[in-house]
Amino acid sequence: QSALTQPASVSGSPGQSITISCTGTSSDVGAYNYVSWYQQHPGKVPKLMIYDVSNRPSGVSNRFSGSKSGNTASLTISGLQAEDEADYYCSSYTSSSSYVFGTGTKATVL
Amino acid sequence: EVQLVESGGGLVKPGGSLRLSCAASGFTFNTAWMSWVRQAPGKGLEWVGRIKSNTDGGTTEYGAPVKGRFTISRDDSKNTLYLQMNSLKTEDTAVFYCTTINWGRFDNWGQGTLVTVSS
Repeated sequence: QSALTQPASVSGSPGQSITISCTGTSSDVGAYNYVSWYQQHPGKVPKLMIYDVSNRPSGVSNRFSGSKSGNTASLTISGLQAEDEADYYCSSYTSSSSYVFGTGTKATVL
Repeated sequence: EVQLVESGGGLVKPGGSLRLSCAASGFTFNTAWMSWVRQAPGKGLEWVGRIKSNTDGGTTEYGAPVKGRFTISRDDSKNTLYLQMNSLKTEDTAVFYCTTINWGRFDNWGQGTLVTVSS
């Protein structure tokens, strides 16, 4: 199972919006709505930000939103803030009853 | 409050074995599906494997890089998850996280334990 493909980096200015893509196949992202997103600050534990494509856990800012089209899922961060600077990973359940993570994206606030 | 506390990490030689533990509290462990996720230094997240609750069959699944070498087990009487790692390779060097898994999401994470495989 190959890792899902994410851009290595994305950047934006405070207040702007950025979108991180996560491309898989018809055996993972395209097959299930079990796509989730994780935020990881340097030296910290990953934190669940989005689950089941577009749902936010309690306590996660509504500036974070998720969507999916075909084999590609996306995470959008609107009203970008300095604290959003972090690594972001997507994940999907697969048809092999396994899970796969994305390659990771470093989000930079300019 | 959900707490997951990993232990058992350390330095081991290539070809060696190590067993990690994850002590769980703050939720009903015996109905939870659990997973291990690892992260090599400076690299991304990698799914290691998952174990269902015993009420759901207690079956396990593993990622390709560890299949046949790693075994996940659980002791519901101790609220503890285990990861037995055999035939360790240098590329297994990573921080290993214990997580709860709820359908398609890893919703609670431990602090992680570092495993270093080196001669």
